[in-house]
Amino acid sequence: GESVGLHLPTLSVQEGDNSIINCAYSNSASDYFIWYKQESGKGPQFIIDIRSNMDKRQGQRVTVLLNKTVKHLSLQIAATQPGDSAVYFCHNAGKSTFGDGTTLTVKP
Amino acid sequence: GAGVSQSPSNKVTEKGKDVELRCDPISGHTALYWYRQSLGQGLEFLIYFQGNSAPDKSGLPSDRFSAERTGGSVSTLTIQRTQQEDSAVYLCASSPLAGTGGTNEQFFGPGTRLTVL
Repeated sequence: GESVGLHLPTLSVQEGDNSIINCAYSNSASDYFIWYKQESGKGPQFIIDIRSNMDKRQGQRVTVLLNKTVKHLSLQIAATQPGDSAVYFCHNAGKSTFGDGTTLTVKP
Repeated sequence: GAGVSQSPSNKVTEKGKDVELRCDPISGHTALYWYRQSLGQGLEFLIYFQGNSAPDKSGLPSDRFSAERTGGSVSTLTIQRTQQEDSAVYLCASSPLAGTGGTNEQFFGPGTRLTVL
């Protein structure tokens, strides 16, 4: 069956450090993923997406890596800031499945 | 432009009462989704509307839950005979393109926090 799961439920980093949030998937039929960020009391918001014909995509301070061989993707946040504290979800955009999310806490 | 809006933002009800939650998607978006999120948990898919097609109701947890989307725009999620386990944040999202699950970004509303006493 399909699953979209996060390796770690929580991640705590020091302000200025880099953060890496991981996600594994099992459904090879949909290699299109979106990372969402959900701040407290708000709905999830799009951060970055990646399609199956790519293995890396960069945005502003964020990079998503996709390894189709091992069905794994990661979200890297450079120079993490307090405003990055949130729950991060990887979403298989071909399905309606969301993982439980990783809670990122940035310590000042 | 305006994003996805939901109302009410908070709803407190007594066990056994019916509730209606409203979602106004972004104008022109053909896809609309409802999710449920319990405290500290991920997003649980409930129902998906795509244009004029029959909705995907596969995520509805029981027959007490139903949803409508009138005129391809506003959607209402109804929970009948509410139970305490229905307490959660109900999130609505819309997407500009059709297709199961969508291949584009979902734009989320702020959610409705439902508390069943």
